[in-house]
Amino acid sequence: AQSVTQLGSHVSVSEGALVLLRCNYSSSVPPYLFWYVQYPNQGLQLLLKYTTGATLVKGINGFEAEFKKSETSFHLTKPSAHMSDAAEYFCAVSLNTGNQFYFGTGTSLTVIP
Amino acid sequence: GAGVSQSPSNKVTEKGKDVELRCDPISGHTALYWYRQSLGQGLEFLIYFQGNSAPDKSGLPSDRFSAERTGGSVSTLTIQRTQQEDSAVYLCASSLGPLSYEQYFGPGTRLTVT
Repeated sequence: AQSVTQLGSHVSVSEGALVLLRCNYSSSVPPYLFWYVQYPNQGLQLLLKYTTGATLVKGINGFEAEFKKSETSFHLTKPSAHMSDAAEYFCAVSLNTGNQFYFGTGTSLTVIP
Repeated sequence: GAGVSQSPSNKVTEKGKDVELRCDPISGHTALYWYRQSLGQGLEFLIYFQGNSAPDKSGLPSDRFSAERTGGSVSTLTIQRTQQEDSAVYLCASSLGPLSYEQYFGPGTRLTVT
């Protein structure tokens, strides 16, 4: 069975500090990997995705993530947190052997001024 | 252009009643997904439509749940004989294609079963 694990349901960082949101997946085949963000009272929107090619992918708002096959991880980072980054972040996996997307339970990011 | 829209935005219903939730995907998007988001939970896959293919219903939690997609566009999720555990936000998403393509999410329908 496939699964997505996001370590830490709540993460707090100071404004200007590094943001690190963790995502690990289990998959027996190469996955497609996504990070989505949900701002308060808004729908989910794509931050970035990995399908093939370069394992370090850059997304919107200064976020990036690196696919590490050996660690089955796709952690999301941003060098310097901004107040506007406060939101819920979801990691998702899809497999080319099926139709489903598997989402993690989400990580709520709080940015402290 | 217009994004994914869902209606109603909020629905309160009594236990045992049937409800219909509507999703209007982005024009030209062949793939459509329904998810359920319960408090403190991630998104739970419900059903997937791709073009004219038979839908993938493997995520539907019970036979009280059904969905259809008419003309490859608008989709309706129906929950019969609602139960309190059905209370959640129901999200619809569409994409140009499956799997590697970005999903565009609607704002969701918040369902409360009393």
